[in-house]
Amino acid sequence: DTAVSQTPKYLVTQMGNDKSIKCEQNLGHDTMYWYKQDSKKFLKIMFSYNNKELIINETVPNRFSPKSPDKAHLNLHINSLELGDSAVYFCASSQDVGGVVGGYTFGSGTRLTVV
Amino acid sequence: GENVGLHLPTLSVQEGDNSIINCAYSNSASDYFIWYKQESGKGPQFIIDIRSNMDKRQGQRVTVLLNKTVKHLSLQIAATQPGDSAVYFCAENTGGFKTIFGAGTRLFVKA
Repeated sequence: DTAVSQTPKYLVTQMGNDKSIKCEQNLGHDTMYWYKQDSKKFLKIMFSYNNKELIINETVPNRFSPKSPDKAHLNLHINSLELGDSAVYFCASSQDVGGVVGGYTFGSGTRLTVV
Repeated sequence: GENVGLHLPTLSVQEGDNSIINCAYSNSASDYFIWYKQESGKGPQFIIDIRSNMDKRQGQRVTVLLNKTVKHLSLQIAATQPGDSAVYFCAENTGGFKTIFGAGTRLFVKA
């Protein structure tokens, strides 16, 4: 059973398009996150939701909009995609806010390529 | 600022040897530290954690050491195996809402 699942795994799209990445966790965790990993493997937090409420919103272009319909789902919508958005996007969840009880559980990532 | 770890260095070890991966953190207020392992094509996976009231914690084949005086964290892997080849990240939390990741270390295990 996949604990944190995200779809799609690969996404290739043209500049200017709008796309969404979906994430679901079946761990019963209250907090979910989106991280972006660049080509040098650096992981940077983008957003965090706790029980459907936004609690972290890092300096991310407003073309990125997260949505959490319930605490088991956190989706990421990206408008007007740019070349610099190409990266691997990871969804994660944690039992508590901040992941200080057992850390995070990550999904397998979505590799976004903008051409 | 947010500066955990080093730029992505590489460590190459012989199978069976012990590996030591180091990490420097910048926030002296951090009180919870985690090591993650990321294999190719997968998301980071929790390995072991340690709180600031401890200096050492052991798991199965892994040991984490914390030196708060010099803000240094290390991960020791005993009897390194080919399956240990991955990128390893240290991460810290200051008790707030987010965990900050370091830049990672790539471990190569030579057969």
